[in-house]
Amino acid sequence: GQNIDQPTEMTATEGAIVQINCTYQTSGFNGLFWYQQHAGEAPTFLSYNVLDGLEEKGRFSSFLSRSKGYSYLLLKELQMKDSASYLCAVRDRWGGGADGLTFGKGTHLIIQP
Amino acid sequence: GAGVSQSPSNKVTEKGKDVELRCDPISGHTALYWYRQSLGQGLEFLIYFQGNSAPDKSGLPSDRFSAERTGGSVSTLTIQRTQQEDSAVYLCASSLTAGGPNEQFFGPGTRLTVL
Repeated sequence: GQNIDQPTEMTATEGAIVQINCTYQTSGFNGLFWYQQHAGEAPTFLSYNVLDGLEEKGRFSSFLSRSKGYSYLLLKELQMKDSASYLCAVRDRWGGGADGLTFGKGTHLIIQP
Repeated sequence: GAGVSQSPSNKVTEKGKDVELRCDPISGHTALYWYRQSLGQGLEFLIYFQGNSAPDKSGLPSDRFSAERTGGSVSTLTIQRTQQEDSAVYLCASSLTAGGPNEQFFGPGTRLTVL
Protein backbone atom coordinates (compact mmCIF):
# COMPACT_ATOMS: atom_id res chain seq x y z
CA GLY A 1 0.00 0.00 0.00
CA GLN A 2 0.93 3.64 0.14
CA ASN A 3 1.14 6.28 2.83
CA ILE A 4 1.39 9.98 2.05
CA ASP A 5 1.76 12.51 4.85
CA GLN A 6 1.52 16.28 4.70
CA PRO A 7 0.60 18.86 7.34
CA THR A 8 -3.11 19.49 7.72
CA GLU A 9 -2.91 23.26 7.88
CA MET A 10 -0.34 26.05 7.56
CA THR A 11 -0.55 29.82 7.93
CA ALA A 12 1.71 32.33 6.20
CA THR A 13 1.86 36.07 5.53
CA GLU A 14 1.26 37.82 2.23
CA GLY A 15 4.57 38.46 0.46
CA ALA A 16 6.44 35.80 2.42
CA ILE A 17 7.67 32.31 1.50
CA VAL A 18 6.16 29.01 2.64
CA GLN A 19 7.33 25.40 2.27
CA ILE A 20 4.83 22.57 2.33
CA ASN A 21 6.37 19.18 3.01
CA CYS A 22 5.21 15.78 1.83
CA THR A 23 6.58 12.40 2.83
CA TYR A 24 5.57 9.18 1.20
CA GLN A 25 6.04 5.44 1.50
CA THR A 26 5.28 3.40 -1.59
CA SER A 27 6.04 -0.04 -2.93
CA GLY A 28 7.14 1.60 -6.16
CA PHE A 29 7.60 5.14 -7.43
CA ASN A 30 6.76 6.59 -10.79
CA GLY A 31 6.37 10.31 -10.22
CA LEU A 32 5.11 12.86 -7.70
CA PHE A 33 2.62 15.63 -8.45
CA TRP A 34 1.49 18.73 -6.63
CA TYR A 35 -2.00 20.07 -7.19
CA GLN A 36 -3.76 23.20 -5.92
CA GLN A 37 -7.41 23.04 -4.95
CA HIS A 38 -9.48 26.07 -4.04
CA ALA A 39 -12.55 25.40 -1.91
CA GLY A 40 -15.37 23.95 -3.96
CA GLU A 41 -13.25 23.72 -7.10
CA ALA A 42 -11.41 20.98 -8.96
CA PRO A 43 -7.69 20.42 -8.37
CA THR A 44 -5.33 22.11 -10.82
CA PHE A 45 -1.86 20.88 -11.71
CA LEU A 46 1.15 22.70 -10.27
CA SER A 47 4.22 20.50 -10.74
CA TYR A 48 5.66 17.08 -11.53
CA ASN A 49 8.88 15.50 -10.24
CA VAL A 50 10.23 12.09 -11.15
CA LEU A 51 13.98 12.68 -10.72
CA ASP A 52 15.71 14.08 -7.64
CA GLY A 53 16.12 17.81 -7.51
CA LEU A 54 14.31 21.07 -7.81
CA GLU A 55 11.79 22.03 -10.49
CA GLU A 56 11.06 25.75 -10.68
CA LYS A 57 8.02 27.30 -12.28
CA GLY A 58 7.54 30.97 -11.58
CA ARG A 59 6.66 31.58 -7.93
CA PHE A 60 6.29 27.84 -7.32
CA SER A 61 9.09 25.28 -6.97
CA SER A 62 8.94 21.60 -6.11
CA PHE A 63 11.72 19.42 -4.77
CA LEU A 64 12.06 15.65 -4.68
CA SER A 65 14.37 13.22 -2.87
CA ARG A 66 13.48 9.67 -3.83
CA SER A 67 15.90 8.11 -1.35
CA LYS A 68 14.19 9.96 1.50
CA GLY A 69 10.65 9.62 0.19
CA TYR A 70 10.33 13.37 0.53
CA SER A 71 9.10 16.30 -1.46
CA TYR A 72 8.30 19.91 -0.77
CA LEU A 73 6.40 22.65 -2.54
CA LEU A 74 7.87 26.12 -2.13
CA LEU A 75 5.67 29.15 -2.73
CA LYS A 76 7.34 32.56 -2.97
CA GLU A 77 5.92 36.10 -2.86
CA LEU A 78 2.70 34.79 -1.42
CA GLN A 79 -0.54 36.35 -2.59
CA MET A 80 -3.97 36.18 -0.99
CA LYS A 81 -5.19 34.07 -3.92
CA ASP A 82 -2.69 31.36 -2.89
CA SER A 83 -5.02 30.47 0.00
CA ALA A 84 -6.05 26.95 -0.99
CA SER A 85 -5.39 23.30 -0.29
CA TYR A 86 -2.20 21.84 -1.73
CA LEU A 87 -2.32 18.17 -2.59
CA CYS A 88 0.70 15.90 -2.85
CA ALA A 89 0.09 12.85 -5.07
CA VAL A 90 2.26 9.88 -5.94
CA ARG A 91 2.05 7.50 -8.86
CA ASP A 92 2.95 4.06 -7.60
CA ARG A 93 4.01 1.75 -10.37
CA TRP A 94 2.28 -1.16 -8.71
CA GLY A 95 -0.53 0.34 -6.73
CA GLY A 96 -3.31 2.83 -7.17
CA GLY A 97 -3.62 1.60 -10.70
CA ALA A 98 -0.80 1.60 -13.17
CA ASP A 99 -1.50 5.26 -13.59
CA GLY A 100 -3.97 6.37 -10.95
CA LEU A 101 -2.57 8.74 -8.39
CA THR A 102 -2.62 8.29 -4.63
CA PHE A 103 -3.26 11.62 -2.96
CA GLY A 104 -2.41 12.89 0.48
CA LYS A 105 -5.18 14.57 2.44
CA GLY A 106 -3.91 17.99 1.46
CA THR A 107 -2.46 20.97 3.29
CA HIS A 108 -4.84 23.86 3.84
CA LEU A 109 -2.78 27.03 3.41
CA ILE A 110 -4.12 30.24 4.93
CA ILE A 111 -2.56 33.53 3.79
CA GLN A 112 -2.88 36.46 6.17
CA PRO A 113 -2.47 40.12 5.17
CA GLY B 1 -10.74 24.23 -26.02
CA ALA B 2 -13.26 22.96 -23.49
CA GLY B 3 -12.08 21.34 -20.30
CA VAL B 4 -13.33 18.18 -18.62
CA SER B 5 -17.04 18.35 -17.98
CA GLN B 6 -19.15 16.30 -15.61
CA SER B 7 -22.87 15.89 -15.10
CA PRO B 8 -24.86 16.29 -13.05
CA SER B 9 -23.09 18.83 -10.87
CA ASN B 10 -25.21 17.78 -7.92
CA LYS B 11 -27.19 14.61 -7.29
CA VAL B 12 -29.36 13.83 -4.31
CA THR B 13 -30.70 10.31 -4.13
CA GLU B 14 -32.30 7.95 -1.69
CA LYS B 15 -30.49 5.03 -0.18
CA GLY B 16 -30.87 1.94 -2.34
CA LYS B 17 -31.31 3.78 -5.64
CA ASP B 18 -28.88 3.52 -8.57
CA VAL B 19 -27.07 6.57 -9.91
CA GLU B 20 -25.10 7.29 -13.07
CA LEU B 21 -22.42 9.95 -13.23
CA ARG B 22 -21.08 11.17 -16.54
CA CYS B 23 -17.69 12.48 -17.58
CA ASP B 24 -16.72 14.15 -20.87
CA PRO B 25 -12.92 14.29 -21.13
CA ILE B 26 -10.89 16.82 -23.06
CA SER B 27 -11.02 15.98 -26.75
CA GLY B 28 -8.06 13.86 -27.79
CA HIS B 29 -7.21 12.70 -24.28
CA THR B 30 -6.88 8.93 -24.24
CA ALA B 31 -6.58 8.42 -20.48
CA LEU B 32 -9.53 9.01 -18.15
CA TYR B 33 -9.63 8.69 -14.36
CA TRP B 34 -12.30 8.58 -11.68
CA TYR B 35 -11.64 9.72 -8.11
CA ARG B 36 -13.84 10.51 -5.16
CA GLN B 37 -13.27 13.03 -2.39
CA SER B 38 -15.05 12.67 0.91
CA LEU B 39 -15.24 15.46 3.44
CA GLY B 40 -11.90 15.81 5.21
CA GLN B 41 -10.35 13.03 3.16
CA GLY B 42 -7.91 13.03 0.31
CA LEU B 43 -8.82 12.12 -3.22
CA GLU B 44 -9.34 8.39 -3.55
CA PHE B 45 -8.49 6.75 -6.86
CA LEU B 46 -11.27 4.56 -8.21
CA ILE B 47 -10.47 3.46 -11.77
CA TYR B 48 -8.74 4.62 -14.92
CA PHE B 49 -9.21 3.98 -18.61
CA GLN B 50 -6.69 3.95 -21.40
CA GLY B 51 -8.89 4.14 -24.45
CA ASN B 52 -11.92 2.01 -23.73
CA SER B 53 -10.19 -0.51 -21.52
CA ALA B 54 -9.72 -0.27 -17.77
CA PRO B 55 -6.30 -1.73 -16.87
CA ASP B 56 -6.94 -1.33 -13.18
CA LYS B 57 -10.21 -1.46 -11.30
CA SER B 58 -8.66 -2.14 -7.92
CA GLY B 59 -9.74 1.21 -6.50
CA LEU B 60 -13.45 0.52 -6.86
CA PRO B 61 -14.69 0.19 -3.26
CA SER B 62 -17.24 -2.55 -3.88
CA ASP B 63 -18.99 -4.48 -6.62
CA ARG B 64 -21.78 -1.90 -6.50
CA PHE B 65 -19.45 0.40 -8.40
CA SER B 66 -18.81 -0.01 -12.11
CA ALA B 67 -17.60 2.21 -14.92
CA GLU B 68 -17.47 2.07 -18.66
CA ARG B 69 -16.09 4.16 -21.45
CA THR B 70 -17.27 3.98 -25.01
CA GLY B 71 -15.75 5.38 -28.18
CA GLY B 72 -12.65 6.36 -26.26
CA SER B 73 -14.47 9.43 -25.00
CA VAL B 74 -17.38 9.70 -22.57
CA SER B 75 -17.34 7.63 -19.40
CA THR B 76 -20.08 6.77 -16.95
CA LEU B 77 -19.62 5.72 -13.35
CA THR B 78 -22.56 3.72 -12.01
CA ILE B 79 -23.26 3.14 -8.35
CA GLN B 80 -25.93 0.55 -7.64
CA ARG B 81 -27.98 0.35 -4.45
CA THR B 82 -26.39 3.54 -3.10
CA GLN B 83 -25.46 3.74 0.57
CA GLN B 84 -24.98 6.81 2.74
CA GLU B 85 -21.22 6.23 2.82
CA ASP B 86 -21.19 6.74 -0.96
CA SER B 87 -21.86 10.45 -0.37
CA ALA B 88 -18.85 12.33 -1.73
CA VAL B 89 -17.67 14.49 -4.61
CA TYR B 90 -16.85 12.30 -7.60
CA LEU B 91 -14.11 13.79 -9.76
CA CYS B 92 -13.16 12.82 -13.25
CA ALA B 93 -9.83 13.69 -14.83
CA SER B 94 -8.27 13.14 -18.23
CA SER B 95 -4.75 13.29 -19.61
CA LEU B 96 -3.26 13.15 -23.09
CA THR B 97 -2.10 9.63 -22.39
CA ALA B 98 -1.27 7.57 -19.35
CA GLY B 99 2.02 7.75 -17.52
CA GLY B 100 4.96 10.13 -17.58
CA PRO B 101 4.62 13.82 -16.82
CA ASN B 102 1.20 13.99 -18.41
CA GLU B 103 -0.82 16.09 -16.03
CA GLN B 104 -4.35 15.11 -15.22
CA PHE B 105 -6.96 17.78 -15.87
CA PHE B 106 -9.85 17.57 -13.46
CA GLY B 107 -13.51 18.26 -14.06
CA PRO B 108 -15.66 20.23 -11.60
CA GLY B 109 -17.00 17.06 -9.98
CA THR B 110 -20.40 15.66 -9.14
CA ARG B 111 -21.51 16.12 -5.55
CA LEU B 112 -23.47 13.00 -4.59
CA THR B 113 -25.64 13.02 -1.49
CA VAL B 114 -27.33 9.80 -0.43
CA LEU B 115 -30.14 10.33 2.05
